Amino acid sequence: GAVVSQHPSRVICKSGTSVKIECRSLDFQATTMFWYRQFPKQSLMLMATSNEGSKATYEQGVEKDKFLINHASLTLSTLTVTSAHPEDSSFYICSASKLPGTSAYEQYFGPGTRLTVT
Amino acid sequence: SQQGEEDPQALSIQEGENATMNCSYKTSINNLQWYRQNSGRGLVHLILIRSNEREKHSGRLRVTLDTSKKSSSLLITASRAADTASYFCATDGSGGSNYKLTFGKGTLLTVNP
Repeated sequence: GAVVSQHPSRVICKSGTSVKIECRSLDFQATTMFWYRQFPKQSLMLMATSNEGSKATYEQGVEKDKFLINHASLTLSTLTVTSAHPEDSSFYICSASKLPGTSAYEQYFGPGTRLTVT
Repeated sequence: SQQGEEDPQALSIQEGENATMNCSYKTSINNLQWYRQNSGRGLVHLILIRSNEREKHSGRLRVTLDTSKKSSSLLITASRAADTASYFCATDGSGGSNYKLTFGKGTLLTVNP
């Protein structure tokens, strides 16, 4: 199989603080990981693509200084929401790909992290 | 703008009935996939259909793809209450970024027991 985990599953933080979300591929090496954001009753929007050992590529409109992505190993990517505000409250989902960005259908999704900023 | 647009946005049926959801997209694609998402959960991959395929089956699921109309449909036969979820189509291959998935807005399916 290809299992992706996320931690934490839920987090509540105060406005102005930073939150780190981890995405791990448990039984395979993920050369590429993707981070999505999903607002209530809406679709998934791609935020950024990260390749192991290189800087993440952010989608238009996503602030790279606010959403820090680190893909330091082949099994772990982290998303840090810095200086969080209530409007950052959302469901964050990661996915991992075995191949270096050439096979989109080999994306395996994590269970998501519900972030609530108070 | 959204690459994929599903319709209807919401669908409510009785257990045992068939459910059909449609997805339209705007640019050329390599693959189209359907995912299911239970409330507050991650995505479950249902089926992938390639651009050179027209129909695919998996259990109670039937997917069609019409590249001339840039549309796809997902049919769930003999629905069950456990099929209640949101269903999304996702395409890849648009704009040269063949590794990125672009998701539609989703159809919320409610199957009443």
